[in-house]
Amino acid sequence: SSELTQDPAVSVALGQTVRITCQGDSLRTYYASWYQQKPGQAPVLVIYGKNNRPSGIPDRFSGSSSGNTASLTITGAQAEDEADYYCNSRDSSGSYVFGTGTKVTVL
Amino acid sequence: QVQLVQSGAEVKKPGSSVTVSCKASGGTFSTYAISWVRQAPGQGLEWMGQIIPIFGTANYAQTFQGRVTITADESASTAYMELSSLRSEDTAVYYCARSRGNSLIYYFDYWGQGTLVTVSS
Repeated sequence: SSELTQDPAVSVALGQTVRITCQGDSLRTYYASWYQQKPGQAPVLVIYGKNNRPSGIPDRFSGSSSGNTASLTITGAQAEDEADYYCNSRDSSGSYVFGTGTKVTVL
Repeated sequence: QVQLVQSGAEVKKPGSSVTVSCKASGGTFSTYAISWVRQAPGQGLEWMGQIIPIFGTANYAQTFQGRVTITADESASTAYMELSSLRSEDTAVYYCARSRGNSLIYYFDYWGQGTLVTVSS
């Protein structure tokens, strides 16, 4: 089955930029979507498609993709961006797979 | 505004089954897929399967084939996830989410609040 690999944890200074990556074969075909999850809460969609943000998601969140790697960038990280982030992709069988998750700490 | 409201927490014995419901409001229920995603304590998200209510057929992750059944009642705008032969490793928060997409772009745009299922003897 498909797998999506993320770095377990990253840290970023307040106001600086952080990039979170997601690697997997399915990303050569399908765009990734990205979800923010804070403790005790349901995930929230932050990026989908080429670089689309749902209504209400700040424009400091952006997405990109190249080959088998998708990236989520937070430009000017805020304290409220501290959370777990998961990528997701459809795969060739019609199923979905989530990435392993990245914990973002804002210093 | 679309809302997905799930049923309450459950405590189950090993070997039993659990059914979690997910009632949708504020949108067109039948034509969007509803997925189920679980998260064990301290772990990541795991996709279990989905159903498109208007078609009534579900597809499942290989990991759960034979143990999970996803159904939908269009008249009640409600989706259901039944997991059988429960074991302690099934202790998790179970989420429903609306799946959208076409061609190469797929995503989950609305999520339920989650339902904690605890499996314990």
